[in-house]
Amino acid sequence: DSGVTQTPKHLITATGQRVTLRCSPRSGDLSVYWYQQSLDQGLQFLIQYYNGEERAKGNILERFSAQQFPDLHSELNLSSLELGDSALYFCASSRDVGQELFFGEGSRLTVL
Amino acid sequence: GQQVMQIPQYQHVQEGEDFTTYCNSSTTLSNIQWYKQRPGGHPVFLIQLVKSGEVKKQKRLTFQFGEAKKNSSLHITATQTTDVGTYFCAGWERAGGTSYGKLTFGQGTILTVHP
Repeated sequence: DSGVTQTPKHLITATGQRVTLRCSPRSGDLSVYWYQQSLDQGLQFLIQYYNGEERAKGNILERFSAQQFPDLHSELNLSSLELGDSALYFCASSRDVGQELFFGEGSRLTVL
Repeated sequence: GQQVMQIPQYQHVQEGEDFTTYCNSSTTLSNIQWYKQRPGGHPVFLIQLVKSGEVKKQKRLTFQFGEAKKNSSLHITATQTTDVGTYFCAGWERAGGTSYGKLTFGQGTILTVHP
């Protein structure tokens, strides 16, 4: 158990819909990261937050948005969903920037 | 932007054979990390290398960081079936001074071990 909690574990929805993925980092970790992993693909960096502030952005689509709240949990919002958005979405946290990441078990999104 | 390339993409070995995966960054890294993802699982941190030319060992695993801090390798001696999974390198880019930029993952090497 990494200490990072992601909900929901599985989500099936239709094209055009909007979903929210939630992440609770390990206690004391200030940085939260979101990664997308498609089938047999690597980990595509989406976005990083540090203590409530956006710190780095990857190739995150405009249809996607995220935020980190004062209690340090984070949410990733995916809207106008397309078939190609089906993937495993990982949240990770670290104590500080530049340190090891602890990954949650992921949220598997299926868009039909 | 920073790119981290990892080869090979796939590696099939017989149990007992050695395995090596290589990682190259387009930019100089602050440090490099290695992760392992078992089938159906999530990435788990293995190790972090910080110094130029650093070599670290964990039992049968040997990790190296290049002198220029742009490449790294992971070598597994005498693979076992428990080594099956995807091995990712991940590089923290520099962002000026002692500040860190993004953490970029390589594409990963999928290792299968035949008993």
